[in-house]
Parts: sequence; C-alpha cells; structure tokens
Amino acid sequence: GAVVSQHPSRVICKSGTSVKIECRSLDFQATTMFWYRQFPKQSLMLMATSNEGSKATYEQGVEKDKFLINHASLTLSTLTVTSAHPEDSSFYICSARAGTRGNIQYFGAGTRLSVL
Amino acid sequence: QQQVKQSPQSLIVQKGGISIINCAYENTAFDYFPWYQQFPGKGPALLIAIRPDVSEKKEGRFTISFNKSAKQFSLHIMDSQPGDSATYFCAAVKGSSNTGKLIFGQGTTLQVKP
Repeated sequence: GAVVSQHPSRVICKSGTSVKIECRSLDFQATTMFWYRQFPKQSLMLMATSNEGSKATYEQGVEKDKFLINHASLTLSTLTVTSAHPEDSSFYICSARAGTRGNIQYFGAGTRLSVL
Repeated sequence: QQQVKQSPQSLIVQKGGISIINCAYENTAFDYFPWYQQFPGKGPALLIAIRPDVSEKKEGRFTISFNKSAKQFSLHIMDSQPGDSATYFCAAVKGSSNTGKLIFGQGTTLQVKP
C-alpha cells in the first residue's frame, strides 16, 4: 500500500505554544488530505479536509484559527495547533487520498500531542 | 443518514476461532466500504474493502460480507490469531463526492486469547 509519513510521532509542549505536525505522501500525489482527532477508545473524528492549493474545509465545531491547515503541495499538508492548551492534548492522525487511487485513504502513524 | 453503526463494541475470541464484526448504514449513496485495523498508538491501516456490486470479498483470513438490501456489511476473521488483537473500524464513503469523506463506525476492540 501507499505510504503516508507523519511527523513528529510524539510531542510534549507547554501551554501557550504552537505545534506543527507534518503529513507527507511518500509515493503518490495526494489531491486531498484529511486531519482527524482521536480520543482514547473512541473513533476518529474528522477535523478538516484540505485540497492542494485551496483553503481547508473545517468540520462543524472545529476552530479554524486554532487548527491551521496548509496544503501547499501535492505531497505535504501541515496542521498547526496554535496556542495549545491541555484540552488540545490528543492523538492527531492525517490521511491522504489520491484521485488516481479512487476512494482509498492512507493514514499516517499519528501524532500524540501532550500539552502541559 | 450519515451514520455508520458498528457492533459489538468489544469482542473476545479464542485463538483459531472466527471473529465477526457487523456494521449498518443508512445512506444508500455510499458506494465504498473499507475496513481499517488500528493497533494502539498507531494510525489505522486499510485491511480490506468492498463495493456494493459484490456480496462477498475474501483476502486471506479476512472476508467482507455485504448485504445491499439490508444495508449491512460485516467483517469475518477466520482462524483468529493473537496478533489480530486490535481495534477494527468499518467505514463508508460516497465516491461521487469530491470530498471523499470517510464515515467511520464506532470501532470494535478485538482480543484474541491464546
């Protein structure tokens, strides 16, 4: 299957700092990338959908000024958690979808964010 | 109409047994149904997927059964192994939608006992 690389795998930061998470599709061009948040023992919650070169579409209830998404190229999307607070601590997962591969979404390994 | 309902929430199976996880959907516009396997601390990995024009798909020990009229689909894991212990998510997506958003089930935590 296709490879999606997500970095970092774990980050610990102080309250008030900003954290950037990178998501790269390594062997295909991702026309669409998705960002999810997952709480312990729960399903994945879609935060936003990003298409290369255009603004991200955020799901209802997700603060776009809090979670900045940039999809500058066909292989890279970034999620920046701005002014992080302890309630932002969670597992963040990206996925990438290529138009040439139909509906298949390939997921990154996730980033565990802990805000102290 | 966007929901995908998954059951059971948790499942314990003996090694060598059959694990069965069920999902049901409402939106008949869904046309692609993947199953994902997730280990603790990792992202989901695509396991197997099916389109509604077939009633069954088998890949190794994993089989999806699809009942279009009942709007239900299930994952069967034959000869379950301790290494299959993970959380399994069913999902559905509308292929015609240019967003391609996956609608996930609630997840099933599978434990296979040696």
